Order: sequence, then C-alpha cells, then structure tokens
Amino acid sequence: EAQVTQNPRYLITVTGKKLTVTCSQNMNHEYMSWYRQDPGLGLRQIYYSMNVEVTDKGDVPEGYKVSRKEKRNFPLILESPSPNQTSLYFCASSRGREQAKNIQYFGAGTRLSVL
Amino acid sequence: AQKITQTQPGMFVQEKEAVTLDCTYDTSDPSYGLFWYKQPSSGEMIFLIYQGSYDQQNATEGRYSLNFQKARKSANLVISASQLGDSAMYFCAMREDNYGQNFVFGPGTRLSVLP
Repeated sequence: EAQVTQNPRYLITVTGKKLTVTCSQNMNHEYMSWYRQDPGLGLRQIYYSMNVEVTDKGDVPEGYKVSRKEKRNFPLILESPSPNQTSLYFCASSRGREQAKNIQYFGAGTRLSVL
Repeated sequence: AQKITQTQPGMFVQEKEAVTLDCTYDTSDPSYGLFWYKQPSSGEMIFLIYQGSYDQQNATEGRYSLNFQKARKSANLVISASQLGDSAMYFCAMREDNYGQNFVFGPGTRLSVLP
C-alpha cells in the first residue's frame, strides 16, 4: 500500500529536549515536505526537499532541521524544542517532475506538545 | 502577502444540497497547480481535486468540481449533494512551478452538513 508513515503519532516532551519525528514514504517520490498546522493558520511549510541531499526552507523554518540522506526518509529534528513549537505536524511527499501537477500525499500527522 | 485566501471560516449546508467553498490565490507564475484537501475530525489530509493553470476545463472528481476562473484568480470547490460525511475542514492549496517550490495552503473552511 502506497503511504507516508510518520512516527510518533503523539509526543509530549519538555523544553530543550532534542527530538526527531521520522517520515518515510514508499512511493519513490522525489519531493518531500514538512508542515505544521495551527488553528486559524492552515498548514505552513517548514522545510522541503526536492531530492536526496537537496533541502530548502519553507515559510517557518526557525527552530527546525531536516536531512535527506535517503530518498524514502525525511526526518524532522527539533534540537531544542520550545512551547511555541507545540503543533500538529504533517509530512508529505509527491513526485518531483512537473511539480505543479503532482499531488502531495500526507502522513497521518504527529501531535507534539512541548511543556 | 497571503497567497491563498479562504474568506469563509465556517459554512453550513443542508444534507443533499450543493455548497461552494471559496478560494482566491495570488501568483505571477504562469504555471501553477491548485489543490483542495479535506481534513475530517480524525485529522488526516485527504486529496480531493486538482486544477492546473493551463487546463482548459474545470476539474471534476465525482461529487467535487472546481470552478476555476483564471482571470479572477479564483478556484472555488463545489460539492454537490452534500452528505453528513462531508463535514470537515477544507483547505485550498497552490504550488507554483517556477517561483520556488513552496506548497502554500489557505487557512481553511470548516463545513458542517446538517441533517
């Protein structure tokens, strides 16, 4: 089954404790992306990756890191989480060619609470 | 500047009636794609329909159709014969081909279908 898998689904942590949210896709997609969703703001893009070793900032990259060492994986790293990073996070992937025509498929989401 | 505007924070519709959810966008890229996603209360993001900037005809997918007015930069979603299961948040999104690779979402419209 084609899917984007994020782990964990729920995470409660404390300020300053480094954490990683994993994302994996099995569709051989070139493009992967991370979003955060906050009430009234829709989804905002944090980082995206056009292919292996190619990443770029989205609209709200501060406080986050990503890496793309393999095509299927795109982890999101919070090196020193703060309460304002409490949010619902989504990973998504799509084919890279003719990007505007390619549908993004989303993971189930990770609900993060930073105390 | 906000690239995607959804002016209806909430909408109500009677079951079996049609409803239109508004979306306007802003871009100077001649090549772009417009997407609608549904987010039910369970939280997942479900792709509904896609419209390319060069598509001559309005997109349709089952009960969903997209009223694309390029000159007005609007891409309204029309849901025909509403069902109780259509109650959800609906997001309009855009990806530009040439001006960066960001995938931008609107703030969403919450649709409630009344029995």
